[in-house]
Amino acid sequence: GESVGLHLPTLSVQEGDNSIINCAYSNSASDYFIWYKQESGKGPQFIIDIRSNMDKRQGQRVTVLLNKTVKHLSLQIAATQPGDSAVYFCAEARQAGTALIFGKGTTLSVSS
Amino acid sequence: NAGVTQTPKFRVLKTGQSMTLLCAQDMNHEYMYWYRQDPGMGLRLIHYSVGEGTTAKGEVPDGYNVSRLKKQNFLLGLESAAPSQTSVYFCASSLTRLGGETQYFGPGTRLLVL
Repeated sequence: GESVGLHLPTLSVQEGDNSIINCAYSNSASDYFIWYKQESGKGPQFIIDIRSNMDKRQGQRVTVLLNKTVKHLSLQIAATQPGDSAVYFCAEARQAGTALIFGKGTTLSVSS
Repeated sequence: NAGVTQTPKFRVLKTGQSMTLLCAQDMNHEYMYWYRQDPGMGLRLIHYSVGEGTTAKGEVPDGYNVSRLKKQNFLLGLESAAPSQTSVYFCASSLTRLGGETQYFGPGTRLLVL
């Protein structure tokens, strides 16, 4: 069935580098996308979201890019810090009133 | 403002035992959700509620029941636990629109069924 997927299960970067975490989705009807960060032993924490009428949204050190043509979502983290080490999940809402569908996650490891 | 809280944090059950997981939120959110998370998997929706007194099935509802008697609480019940229900359970809530709004998560309940 259709699912939200991430290109890489793990990503290792050096402190200070920029990180890019990718996510592909398959349903062109999806109209809402969200990124969560989950640290070990904790619940998912909201990072940033974007609706399908936008292609870019920026937060503090994070940017989400949405490419509806190729059904691709990415999370960019600027100047990655050790505290950014976590599992990152993307999720999509495929239709109004339906539940979020989560991807399997990318583990980001930041070495100093 | 505590956000979303879950009780208990950790529990060990024997096969066939029952238990109830409690979720509470103090943000006056209409929508509440129960997810399970298994190794290497994303979050999968078990049941959800769009308001006090309402519940609905999610992606993996079998073996679970829920109740939403009060707006701030959402209970997840396992009537007869099975080893396949060993997982980490997360509760979440959102203000309004199902799926289209940020969901806020609790810290999780780790359940081991022997």
